[in-house]
Amino acid sequence: SQTIHQWPATLVQPVGSPLSLECTVEGTSNPNLYWYRQAAGRGLQLLFYSIGIDQISSEVPQNLSASRPQDRQFILSSKKLLLSDSGFYLCAWSVPTPFRGHWNNEQFFGPGTRLTVL
Amino acid sequence: GIQVEQSPPDLILQEGANSTLRCNFSDSVNNLQWFHQNPWGQLINLFYIPSGTKQNGRLSATTVATERYSLLYISSSQTTDSGVYFCAVDLGGGGADGLTFGKGTHLIIQP
Repeated sequence: SQTIHQWPATLVQPVGSPLSLECTVEGTSNPNLYWYRQAAGRGLQLLFYSIGIDQISSEVPQNLSASRPQDRQFILSSKKLLLSDSGFYLCAWSVPTPFRGHWNNEQFFGPGTRLTVL
Repeated sequence: GIQVEQSPPDLILQEGANSTLRCNFSDSVNNLQWFHQNPWGQLINLFYIPSGTKQNGRLSATTVATERYSLLYISSSQTTDSGVYFCAVDLGGGGADGLTFGKGTHLIIQP
């Protein structure tokens, strides 16, 4: 079965410091990978998605970047954190499968990283 | 982009009551998912339901794609059902789309 891991679980960082959050998926190959952020306890926003190694698409201009150095590893980074980067960061995976004329693209989420920037 | 609206935003019920949560979306969608976010923040997959009706124990969901809405039914509520319920959709297009989430329904089940 497939599992998804994120670390660290929680992180407190000062403004201006760098950031690296990691997400890994086990039990599947060639997944689509996604980074979402949830701020203020409600609503998730897509930040980045990736359909393959070194193939990253950004949905929202921001202070963050993403990389996919291996098939099942997705990294979220920042060179200098801002207060507004605080939030709950969730990684997700899917394996799109054609089904009856559409794409079954059910997504599954990791446990998340709670980031506080002070 | 596509708009996803959930109602009600907040709902307080007594244990044993039934509830219906609604999700409206502004465009034709390829996928629709319902999630439950537990107190630790974990998103639990409830249903993948781009159309039709599905049931899983006390929970069921119906999506009427032609009318652009989905309903989540919770019967005989338990305190463990408390949390935030999210509806999320994607437009499709080869399977490379992220999900657009509604703002959620915050459900509190009182003993």
